Amino acid sequence: NAGVTQTPKFRVLKTGQSMTLLCAQDMNHEYMYWYRQDPGMGLRLIHYSVGEGTTAKGEVPDGYNVSRLKKQNFLLGLESAAPSQTSVYFCASSYLGPEAFFGQGTRLTVV
Amino acid sequence: AQSVSQHNHHVILSEAASLELGCNYSYGGTVNLFWYVQYPGQHLQLLLKYFSGDPLVKGIKGFEAEFIKSKFSFNLRKPSVQWSDTAEYFCAVPSGGGADGLTFGKGTHLIIQP
Repeated sequence: NAGVTQTPKFRVLKTGQSMTLLCAQDMNHEYMYWYRQDPGMGLRLIHYSVGEGTTAKGEVPDGYNVSRLKKQNFLLGLESAAPSQTSVYFCASSYLGPEAFFGQGTRLTVV
Repeated sequence: AQSVSQHNHHVILSEAASLELGCNYSYGGTVNLFWYVQYPGQHLQLLLKYFSGDPLVKGIKGFEAEFIKSKFSFNLRKPSVQWSDTAEYFCAVPSGGGADGLTFGKGTHLIIQP
């Protein structure tokens, strides 16, 4: 089993550019999450989804959009990247409770 | 709102020393508590969890944690650390219901010196 797979692993963007991060899970999990990790801040929830076709805002949703068209995929979009969005992004999934399984992370730098 | 506080942000220990990392939580619902570990350059992995029952929880790699309800604490312990325990450790609680994700502490960066 691959578990939770994130694409890409690294990316450098210029301010104002857009991009989409892809998260795929093969565990048939209902819930999926996007977190960002910044030094000294721990992980903060950006958006989450409780099932195919649903999304909800987390703690720090501004500047991001998400979509969950298929149960196994959860996309995170940045429409106009800003330097403040330089971070490591983690996708996670869980079956029907709080215990989450994490992907390997995407290191994004916005210059 | 749920919150988690980790007291030690950076800890440096020598191999074979004992470890205790503090975690205090504020949570109004059914208490579920987690410790995750992140080895250098890797993703977060579940170290151990508490849902109910025995307040002393054993996890992987010799780690354990004790849930003390009266102190709102869930401290992580290991009797004898190894160099390979160098990592960042996060305490977490559910943000709300089961679907709302986790609220993480700010993490403790643990360095084990050979």
